[in-house]
Amino acid sequence: SQTIHQWPATLVQPVGSPLSLECTVEGTSNPNLYWYRQAAGRGLQLLFYSVGIGQISSEVPQNLSASRPQDRQFILSSKKLLLSDSGFYLCAWSVPLAGVNEQFFGPGTRLTVL
Amino acid sequence: KQEVTQIPAALSVPEGENLVLNCSFTDSAIYNLQWFRQDPGKGLTSLLLIQSSQREQTSGRLNASLDKSSGRSTLYIAASQPGDSATYLCAVEMDSSYKLIFGSGTRLLVRP
Repeated sequence: SQTIHQWPATLVQPVGSPLSLECTVEGTSNPNLYWYRQAAGRGLQLLFYSVGIGQISSEVPQNLSASRPQDRQFILSSKKLLLSDSGFYLCAWSVPLAGVNEQFFGPGTRLTVL
Repeated sequence: KQEVTQIPAALSVPEGENLVLNCSFTDSAIYNLQWFRQDPGKGLTSLLLIQSSQREQTSGRLNASLDKSSGRSTLYIAASQPGDSATYLCAVEMDSSYKLIFGSGTRLLVRP
């Protein structure tokens, strides 16, 4: 069966510090991978998605970036965090098949920027 | 621009009641619609996915319907239990885009 891991689970960082969040998927090959953010009082917002190694599509212009160095690894980064980067970051995967693209989510990382 | 709305924002019911959660979307050209459950501080759990060509999907006590032309989906929960308490989110995928657009969710409390 497939599993998805995110770490760390929680993170408290000062403004201006760098960020690296990691997501890995097990039990599947060549998945689509996604980064979402859920900010307090706001809905889930798609940040990045990837359909293959090295292929990243950005949905929201910001100081965040994403990379996919391996097939089942997705990393979210920032060089300098802003207060507005605080939120709950969720990674998801899917394997599109016959028009069905069901997405499955990880446990999330709670980021607080002080 | 697609907008997804969920009403009500919060719902409190006694245990055993059947209930309906609503989701509406402004652009009917959707590819799929997916319902999720989110427990406090946790990730999302996929409940049901309805393809645009389908009218409904069922899983256990859950039944989701889709009326694409009117831009609506409902999630029916039969014989609600306290363990059903969570936030329920619907999301639509536009044509082959892989991108999900989420509603703001309905927070459900089932009282024992």
